[in-house]
Amino acid sequence: DTGVSQNPRHKITKRGQNVTFRCDPISEHNRLYWYRQTLGQGPEFLTYFQNEAQLEKSRLLSDRFSAERPKGSFSTLEIQRTEQGDSAMYLCASSLTGTGISGNTIYFGEGSWLTVV
Amino acid sequence: LAKTTQPISMDSYEGQEVNITCSHNNIATNDYITWYQQFPSQGPRFIIQGYKTKVTNEVASLFIPADRKSSTLSLPRVSLSDTAVYYCLAHNTDKLIFGTGTRLQVFP
Repeated sequence: DTGVSQNPRHKITKRGQNVTFRCDPISEHNRLYWYRQTLGQGPEFLTYFQNEAQLEKSRLLSDRFSAERPKGSFSTLEIQRTEQGDSAMYLCASSLTGTGISGNTIYFGEGSWLTVV
Repeated sequence: LAKTTQPISMDSYEGQEVNITCSHNNIATNDYITWYQQFPSQGPRFIIQGYKTKVTNEVASLFIPADRKSSTLSLPRVSLSDTAVYYCLAHNTDKLIFGTGTRLQVFP
């Protein structure tokens, strides 16, 4: 257990429905990341926050995806009008970073599996 | 972000030492090298990180030659529970770019 908590761990939804995942990072970690991973592939970066500010979004994050970190603590990732191609594991990670310079350990949660049927 | 190349898969037996080499020919001066381990249906787990020479912790060693164009993750005396995918990353920011990793299979 790295201390990064994700809920729910598994979600099955019908195409067209909205889903929301929650991530609770390690306490006092100022950076929070979202990744997506499909079978046989490595995790792909989606977005990250420095405190409550969303600093970067990948082109993978279509308009149907939105992430928030309202108080700089937990974060939510919402997918609207889900499609079968959204089926994947959604990973959250956190780190304590000063200036974004490497050398900081990034801790991942256990992931939230999404299956769109 | 430096591109890394590592073997797609490796097989080993319990009790053996396993060395996984990663190539990062265009590594930047301020890039660190980090290795993660991932079991099925779980998030990646940090193993070790280094910049140059040798780093050792309780689970692995990381060897980085002087030119830093490659690195080797060494797992001493592997067990069945070390069967996993191992990712090598060379990066100078917290935005990690994962490849497909090396799938290590440990046999009894």
